[in-house]
Amino acid sequence: EAGVVQSPRYKIIEKKQPVAFWCNPISGHNTLYWYLQNLGQGPELLIRYENEEAVDDSQLPKDRFSAERLKGVDSTLKIQPAELGDSAVYLCASSLGGRGQEETQYFGPGTRLLVL
Amino acid sequence: DQQVKQNSPSLSVQEGRISILNCDYTNSMFDYFLWYKKYPAEGPTFLISISSIKDKNEDGRFTVFLNKSAKHLSLHIVPSQPGDSAVYFCAVPWGFKTIFGAGTRLFVKA
Repeated sequence: EAGVVQSPRYKIIEKKQPVAFWCNPISGHNTLYWYLQNLGQGPELLIRYENEEAVDDSQLPKDRFSAERLKGVDSTLKIQPAELGDSAVYLCASSLGGRGQEETQYFGPGTRLLVL
Repeated sequence: DQQVKQNSPSLSVQEGRISILNCDYTNSMFDYFLWYKKYPAEGPTFLISISSIKDKNEDGRFTVFLNKSAKHLSLHIVPSQPGDSAVYFCAVPWGFKTIFGAGTRLFVKA
């Protein structure tokens, strides 16, 4: 079974440019997460989807970040415009849904973003 | 304020010996705890979990201990193997979120 797929794996852009990340979750997984991981820190949730609905986007900086999950499958995360402080790894994860706190999340390899 | 703390950024252990990774938390309402393992250039993978109704959970070489009164949990790896070299994250599901610690990088020397 294929795992969570993310692309691109690496992205280098200049500040003020837009950037987009794509995630394809494990087939059948209803819940999808986007995390931000800064160097030396643990992942921090940006947004969580249950099917097409964003159930928690409280940590998403909405002035420059946006996300969508059309048809409840693939998802994209966009930053416009990017700032130097956005340099980080962006992780996507998915889970089956419906098991509450015992839900196991499966992570993709992440997209490493460098903003110059 | 960090609710899940891993105060040791790194740990070095000889192959065959025990590795002990520690995690402290601040919220006494937390009742389920996870450990994830992460290799370079990969995403974290689930390793082991423990519910607050237990004080120990074992899976092969990996055992997690929970001390609720101290708000402390630890992951023991016995015996440690070079392939265990990775970053280990302690995590707590809370509401719609999972709160991760900063991670501890384990080096297992052959």
